[in-house]
Amino acid sequence: GESVGLHLPTLSVQEGDNSIINCAYSNSASDYFIWYKQESGKGPQFIIDIRSNMDKRQGQRVTVLLNKTVKHLSLQIAATQPGDSAVYFCAENEYGNKLVFGAGTILRVKS
Amino acid sequence: AAGVIQSPRHLIKEKRETATLKCYPIPRHDTVYWYQQGPGQDPQFLISFYEKMQSDKGSIPDRFSAQQFSDYHSELNMSSLELGDSALYFCASSHTELGGRETQYFGPGTRLLVL
Repeated sequence: GESVGLHLPTLSVQEGDNSIINCAYSNSASDYFIWYKQESGKGPQFIIDIRSNMDKRQGQRVTVLLNKTVKHLSLQIAATQPGDSAVYFCAENEYGNKLVFGAGTILRVKS
Repeated sequence: AAGVIQSPRHLIKEKRETATLKCYPIPRHDTVYWYQQGPGQDPQFLISFYEKMQSDKGSIPDRFSAQQFSDYHSELNMSSLELGDSALYFCASSHTELGGRETQYFGPGTRLLVL
């Protein structure tokens, strides 16, 4: 993927505020999208997914929005907590195949 | 719940040596994926297996090979190691459903350092 290398974008939020992390995807044929959370030294952890026949999906404290027109995904985290601090990746999935990850976003939660 | 198991968790090798990374998928998962993640980078797909057959191939060097065994565990073999192979190597597994999408669950990774 085309990442920004060591200079990942960073989002700093105050504990209790809502966070919005954005992602642009590349393949208009992709029909399944996933958000992963990765803490330092750990593997990506599944957060929430959405199929292309939907434009919004809600989980516990998280909401994913999909705009196929502009190939854009967003992850909204409500009442952000210190434990939410991590790198967040969106990924697109072609049927039965590999995940293509977007560049990650570092989320820092200030107490 | 059982997760993906990877071994070893850390590995240090010299240039031109070989390394073997192992992955044990979540029980009843039939598909295994390998990804490589450099420092500050997003994970890059290497290769995947479904029912012991290679199902897709990404940016995997010719020096690397992999296979999936009858018990569904997978091994990534890396030969003639180069400094640039130093990275985190993740295995993910999923259960393939006809007509569906499979969520990939990742293991904790193997951190490979080539000196």
